[in-house]
Formats: sequence, structure tokens, C-alpha cells
Amino acid sequence: NAGVTQTPKFRVLKTGQSMTLLCAQDMNHEYMYWYRQDPGMGLRLIHYSVGEGTTAKGEVPDGYNVSRLKKQNFLLGLESAAPSQTSVYFCASSYWGTAPEAFFGQGTRLTVV
Amino acid sequence: QQQVKQSPQSLIVQKGGISIINCAYENTAFDYFPWYQQFPGKGPALLIAIRPDVSEKKEGRFTISFNKSAKQFSLHIMDSQPGDSATYFCAARPDHAGGTSYGKLTFGQGTILTVHP
Repeated sequence: NAGVTQTPKFRVLKTGQSMTLLCAQDMNHEYMYWYRQDPGMGLRLIHYSVGEGTTAKGEVPDGYNVSRLKKQNFLLGLESAAPSQTSVYFCASSYWGTAPEAFFGQGTRLTVV
Repeated sequence: QQQVKQSPQSLIVQKGGISIINCAYENTAFDYFPWYQQFPGKGPALLIAIRPDVSEKKEGRFTISFNKSAKQFSLHIMDSQPGDSATYFCAARPDHAGGTSYGKLTFGQGTILTVHP
């Protein structure tokens, strides 16, 4: 049982380059989330999705786009990377209701130079 | 705007001691308060969680104390072990009846716990 899988695990980008981070979950969860983790800032929500074909902005959405074409996948895109987007990115998924536990992927460490 | 404030930022405890991490929240619509544990290079994993209808929840050496009137909750790790060394995050989630919350967790800033042998 893989849970939540993120690819790639590491990436170095030059300023202005674009890339897509892929998140896949095999738990049939409705909800999926992208967070970024920065020292002293905790985990901040970038975008989230409450079901296939839906997306919404979180706390820090600027500079990112997302898509949820299939229930099991949630993609995070950076159209023009900036050094301020250097961070560790985590994808998570969850049910709602009585089992609201969020399951996290292993993270993607992104460096923008 | 930081809706969940966590302290301390770092904590050093001797083996066998008690580790205490505190969180305070502002949004009275929060109704689910989990703690996540994160080891280096790994994603956060749920450690223990509480709902506001109880004041305390214990699972093994880990206890959450919850004070609804003060809007505060804390994690106590009894008999702390070197293997407990990790980053701990408190979090809070609004009630589904809040409408657009959609299960969004708001996290505290994190506490780096180091337990010396």
C-alpha cells in the first residue's frame, strides 16, 4: 500500500523555468492538498481540491497552479520559478467526516537558483 | 495571519524527562486538533488528535490537554526517548458546517524536539 507518492523527490530549477510536481494517492481520498514547508513557518496551504475536477486557493497560492483531472492525482505547477519558491513541498490527502486524518507524501525538495 | 501559534520553537530534553509543547488558536470554529510528528526527510504523520468535547486524550506516552475556554492545547510526551527527537506540529481544522473549510488544516510553526540520551 503506497499511500501518497510524490515525484520528483529533489529538483533544482533556474529562475524562470517551469516544472510540475506530481502527487498520487491510492486510498480513494476525496480531498487532496499541496503544502509548502519553510523553516519557522510551519506548513502553509498552497492549493487544495475537494474532488476530481475541482481546485481552490489556499493561504499562499501566488505563483502556483494546480489540476485534478483524476481523483488519484493532484498536480502542482510552477510556471516561472522564483528563488522565493525554494522550499519543501508536501502533498496530502484525506477523507472527511469521522476519519479526517491527513496522510502526507515524502516531500519534494525544490531549489530555485 | 497565523491562526495557530506554537511554542517553543525548539526544545531540548533529557532522556526520561517530560516534553511539553503548547499551541493557541483564534478561530472558534476549529473542532479537530491533531498533532503531527515529522522525522528528517519524511512527511508529517499523525501522532494523536483530540476534539473539543474532551479535555484530555492519552495514547501511550503521548497526551493532549485541551482548554477550550482559553483556546489552548498542548502535547505532553512522558518519559521522552531519543527516538522521539523530531519536529512536532500542532494543527486545527474547522467544523465542516463552517462551509468552505473543506478539511483544511492550519498548522502551527513547528517545534524541533531533541532528546539527549
